[in-house]
This record gives sequence, structure tokens and C-alpha cells, in this order.
Amino acid sequence: EVQLVESGGGLVQPGGSLRLSCTASVDSGVSFTTFEMNWVRQAPGKGLEWVSYISTRGDRTHYADSVKGRFTTSRDDATNSLFLQMDSLRVEDTAIYYCAKERRYYELENWGQGTLVTVSS
Amino acid sequence: QSALTQPPSASGSLGQSVAISCTGTSSDVGGYNYVSWYQQHPGKAPKFLLYEVSKRPSGVPDRFSGSKSGNTASLTVSGLQVEDEAYYYCSSFAGINKLVFGGGTKLTVL
Repeated sequence: EVQLVESGGGLVQPGGSLRLSCTASVDSGVSFTTFEMNWVRQAPGKGLEWVSYISTRGDRTHYADSVKGRFTTSRDDATNSLFLQMDSLRVEDTAIYYCAKERRYYELENWGQGTLVTVSS
Repeated sequence: QSALTQPPSASGSLGQSVAISCTGTSSDVGGYNYVSWYQQHPGKAPKFLLYEVSKRPSGVPDRFSGSKSGNTASLTVSGLQVEDEAYYYCSSFAGINKLVFGGGTKLTVL
């Protein structure tokens, strides 16, 4: 069983920064170090949009074109944590941000409850 | 505009069946068998429903089934129940290290 909990959302002005966290709770015998992780967001009343991916060990990351160069995803396996550093935020980045564990090939089998990011002046 | 095209809405009567389509291109749905489906109730996180086009994770009822033909994948919900009323999203591996989603379909159980 894998439980994911996001935190760090809030209100930020355009051009500002925010860092989201996602902490995983896992059953014994399961290791966060084996998880490939993703961030997915959902603007209010809209559909799902993939944001980023990070490999096990964190040596590979991939980003949607809409956030490339502004967002950075990282992980800390010692604390079972995933992060999303969001810089140069825009109004259109307003969304609920979910972290999700990947089964393989971007099949997202476990999701957190999400954290709301609002970018507004 | 989403990369994959889904109908905005679908409906079916209690106990009946309904199919939801998800149309992409040869670069995503048509090119890979890594199509997934997710169910999302209002105010909740998405739930993993199907993967690799038609496989069900543990705990998902066999009333949910999937298929694919060419660039179009489909989700079929049989024996509709009240709790099936939700939004459904498809997704596909799109190569070049990319994931694409459909715009979502609101399923109404009549």
C-alpha cells in the first residue's frame, strides 16, 4: 500500500515561486527508491495535465512544454519525498497539483489528494 | 485543447452499458499499448481504473473494460451503478518522454 500526501500549496503573486512537497508512506518491504514519480495538475473546472516526471535515483527528469525552464522536480529518498520547485509562476499555473506514482510508462497507479496553488495578484 | 479527444458527456441508464471513446494519433494512442483510464469523483483525486488498454488493477470491478482500435481507445462500463457517475479521463504514453490526457468525459447515470 502506498499513501501520498502533498503539501506546500497556497496563494502566490505572478512571477513568484513556490515549492511543493509530496511525502510517501509505504508498507514494509516496499521502497520509495524504486518509485518513478510524476506531477499532474488540474486547473479549476478543467481536465488533467501532466507536468513532470522523475526517475528512480532522480537522474532523469522530463517536463511538459508549458512548464519547462520554470519548474524543477527533485526527490529525497532518505525522507520518501518528492518536490516541485515552481518559479516564474503565471496566472495559468493556478491548479490543484497531484503527485502520482507510476506503474510503468506513465501509468499512474497511486495519487495523492492534491494541493491547491493559486497564482493571483 | 487536450491532446486526446473525448466526448464531453455520456449517459446511460442504471444497469445498462455505456462506452466512452478516446481518440489520439499514431504518435500516442495508435503507437503504444500504454493507454490508461482514470475515474474522478467531484472534489476527489483521480483513481487508476485501467492500464495497458484493458488491464484492471486489483480492486477494480470487471464491469470496467477497455479496448483499442487504431488511434481510438474505448472504456466500457457495464451494469451501470449510481456510484459510476463521475468524470473519466484517458491518457496515453506519447513517446519522447511525454504523457498526454484526454479532456475528460462526464458520465451521468440516469
